[in-house]
Amino acid sequence: GQNIDQPTEMTATEGAIVQINCTYQTSGFNGLFWYQQHAGEAPTFLSYNVLDGLEEKGRFSSFLSRSKGYSYLLLKELQMKDSASYLCAVRDTGFQKLVFGTGTRLLVSP
Amino acid sequence: DAGVIQSPRHEVTEMGQEVTLRCKPISGHDYLFWYRQTMMRGLELLIYFNNNVPIDDSGMPEDRFSAKMPNASFSTLKIQPSEPRDSAVYFCASRKGGSPLHFGNGTRLTVT
Repeated sequence: GQNIDQPTEMTATEGAIVQINCTYQTSGFNGLFWYQQHAGEAPTFLSYNVLDGLEEKGRFSSFLSRSKGYSYLLLKELQMKDSASYLCAVRDTGFQKLVFGTGTRLLVSP
Repeated sequence: DAGVIQSPRHEVTEMGQEVTLRCKPISGHDYLFWYRQTMMRGLELLIYFNNNVPIDDSGMPEDRFSAKMPNASFSTLKIQPSEPRDSAVYFCASRKGGSPLHFGNGTRLTVT
């Protein structure tokens, strides 16, 4: 089975940096994904890590430690439009299922 | 690329009625997934197909739920009979091989 934990909610200020953590316990692992979901919309792909280390993509970075079962999503220079839910998801071996955590709701205030 | 297309966007029905949700995946994608999203449980995987064949339906809640994929460009999720606890947003998603999932805009189902 798979267990994925994320904080339920976080708040931050426009222009700041925020780190959203994700821990997982899985029977198999073949990559970790981060998705962004605005209220009432579909999740959209943000980043993917399969090897340990940091992946940077503009204002967003994602880190993975497979030995610790840990990932984080780092958002820099926060903007109001970054207010959304951020979903951590783990893919099992063989490129099959993608299992999601319950998501972290981020509120960015002026 | 039109993206994953789901219909209807909203469905309101009475308890006991049959509900059919529809999905057209992105052309060329060989995997199709059905997820259900609620505030309490987040995104739950219900079933997924590879090349139109159901691979894992262990997430389907009970026999009232069924899904089909008669061809590469169409899938349905049926609930019969529907119950109030089935109220949720149902997402269809597709991908090609190991690429990231692309989600449709979802169907918001309300069962009264």
